[in-house]
Amino acid sequence: EADIYQTPRYLVIGTGKKITLECSQTMGHDKMYWYQQDPGMELHLIHYSYGVNSTEKGDLSSESTVSRIRTEHFPLTLESARPSHTSQYLCASSTRQGFAEAFFGQGTRLTVV
Amino acid sequence: GESVGLHLPTLSVQEGDNSIINCAYSNSASDYFIWYKQESGKGPQFIIDIRSNMDKRQGQRVTVLLNKTVKHLSLQIAATQPGDSAVYFCAENRVDSSYKLIFGSGTRLLVRP
Repeated sequence: EADIYQTPRYLVIGTGKKITLECSQTMGHDKMYWYQQDPGMELHLIHYSYGVNSTEKGDLSSESTVSRIRTEHFPLTLESARPSHTSQYLCASSTRQGFAEAFFGQGTRLTVV
Repeated sequence: GESVGLHLPTLSVQEGDNSIINCAYSNSASDYFIWYKQESGKGPQFIIDIRSNMDKRQGQRVTVLLNKTVKHLSLQIAATQPGDSAVYFCAENRVDSSYKLIFGSGTRLLVRP
């Protein structure tokens, strides 16, 4: 069982609200990722980090932002939520070595009304 | 752009039969591939991986085959069980400056009793 945790599991929020999705891992992994996934669809990389103070945008354009102040913590923030942000958000982490699988959290299912 | 894509969105098999899930990738620079299983309401879980210097790798009831000539990857599940019902994703981990983990669109495996 991977030690990576996401909170909250489910979130329903009104349009225009600011939200932060939390992700923490206790494995000491350098690399962390955020993916966005619509039901039954593929995972799209929206942000990733190689380590502390490192953040990069992924392949899918996103209005969210991330920060990496501590190795174990990689929060994702939406300044002003919109219905188009409704989706599942999955956080993952892996070691910095090239050949290493990513471990995923349970995900946060976000609904913006 | 570069992508990892799957041939079939849904695969239905009889319990006890073997399942084969296919995946095509387009980035010849990728040298590490992973199969993930995602059950409803959960994050993806690692099944098996393979490096590009290998053609085949076996795990418990699962085998991954890699054909670099045609950029094709497959996951074989022996004696498919009801617990194998899930969505299966292949992912490529490009060992370049980005180290991004890119996912394909997924195949839903349904196991008939």
